[in-house]
Amino acid sequence: AQKVTQAQTEISVVEKEDVTLDCVYETRDTTYYLFWYKQPPSGELVFLIRRNSFDEQNEISGRYSWNFQKSTSSFNFTITASQVVDSAVYFCALSEPSSGSARQLTFGSGTQLTVLP
Amino acid sequence: NAGVTQTPKFQVLKTGQSMTLQCAQDMNHEYMSWYRQDPGMGLRLIHYSVGAGITDQGEVPNGYNVSRSTTEDFPLRLLSAAPSQTSVYFCASSYRQGIGTQYFGPGTRLLVL
Repeated sequence: AQKVTQAQTEISVVEKEDVTLDCVYETRDTTYYLFWYKQPPSGELVFLIRRNSFDEQNEISGRYSWNFQKSTSSFNFTITASQVVDSAVYFCALSEPSSGSARQLTFGSGTQLTVLP
Repeated sequence: NAGVTQTPKFQVLKTGQSMTLQCAQDMNHEYMSWYRQDPGMGLRLIHYSVGAGITDQGEVPNGYNVSRSTTEDFPLRLLSAAPSQTSVYFCASSYRQGIGTQYFGPGTRLLVL
């Protein structure tokens, strides 16, 4: 079973629209970490946010916000008033430090966001 | 700080050739790792290291070797390149395995003919 699921392969919005990227994860650990990374067309991977399993507070950073809900095993990412520069592939990732597995950071398959002018 | 650096940025190899992808970090991070990124498959872990002299296999280790002689450097060696190894390779580091945020290098795009 996939541990991190990003069901939205591609999303296209018009500039200034709000958009939410979904992430559903699966783990048996009580301690884990969730991440979002952005990969713009230039190809680098840019860290956006890290959240541990004990902190369910929503996070807001400028136009970005994250909604972490353990009850639904989701860690969704919302961009408010999207801009063309937000166009990128966004990855959600899960870290399970105590798993003993080699999969220390498991990535979803990514969501390609295109913001049209 | 330069963060995580990788060289080369792009490389073309012929089947059977060997090469080393270089990775260095200047953040004194314990944990370093190599991923490959293929279309539609996200990133997959190749090898990782929890400190100098300690390495272990990830999800897709076949055809690759690593070593960690210093905290800063974590080279990835392709022993005999195959077309299936055509991919984008990312090196990452974090202050601690599984807990710290992993910061990624700019990537190396490898084409094996």
